[in-house]
Amino acid sequence: EIVMTQSPATLSVSPGERATLSCRASQSVSSSLAWYQQKPGQAPRLLIYGASTRATGIPARFSGGGSGTEFTLTISSLQSEDFAVYYCQQYKNWPPKTFGQGTKLEIK
Amino acid sequence: QAQLVESGGGVVQPGRSLRLSCAASGFTFSTYAMHWVRQAPGKGLEWVAGTSYDETFKYYADSVRGRFSISRDSPKNTLYLQMTSLRAEDTAVYYCAREARGYDQYYFDHWGQGTQVTVSS
Repeated sequence: EIVMTQSPATLSVSPGERATLSCRASQSVSSSLAWYQQKPGQAPRLLIYGASTRATGIPARFSGGGSGTEFTLTISSLQSEDFAVYYCQQYKNWPPKTFGQGTKLEIK
Repeated sequence: QAQLVESGGGVVQPGRSLRLSCAASGFTFSTYAMHWVRQAPGKGLEWVAGTSYDETFKYYADSVRGRFSISRDSPKNTLYLQMTSLRAEDTAVYYCAREARGYDQYYFDHWGQGTQVTVSS
């Protein structure tokens, strides 16, 4: 099973600033990596797939990078609606499809 | 626009059974692989089970294998999760999720709003 590890667990950033979230895989997943956003009481929403491709309707301030075992999600200028929990997920080797434990992005 | 609506959750005693449903609309359900993902209170996301578009392949997490069964009724555009021998640790919000289509496109591109399952005596 591929273990996904996200860091940090919580990130405090001011609106308008840049946020960078990290995700590490226990073995290479190539570019088979997705990012999801989840707000309280809501279902997850797909942001990024293929490590760097934005899903339909996702603003350009969200960007994904990396390949192999190291990945990042960058939000270039934080808006109030971006404060949420973010999960990475690998889909290279499954089952199981594995998620990271999440990074909570909070207002500083 | 694709829409997924779960139902069937509730409070159930340990050892009992429950069946969840996920009604799909806005897309050709019979051509997509589908999955269940759960989220325990205050915890992260855990993949539970998945089925190919035609039920040829079914996959389960180790934590539920032998107790849960995934199935689909394509004419009714509905995905099911039959849960038996429920345990307290199965308490979670259960989400239905559509798998994207295409080579190596095995991420989840649409999610339902979830249904709460509470296992308690």
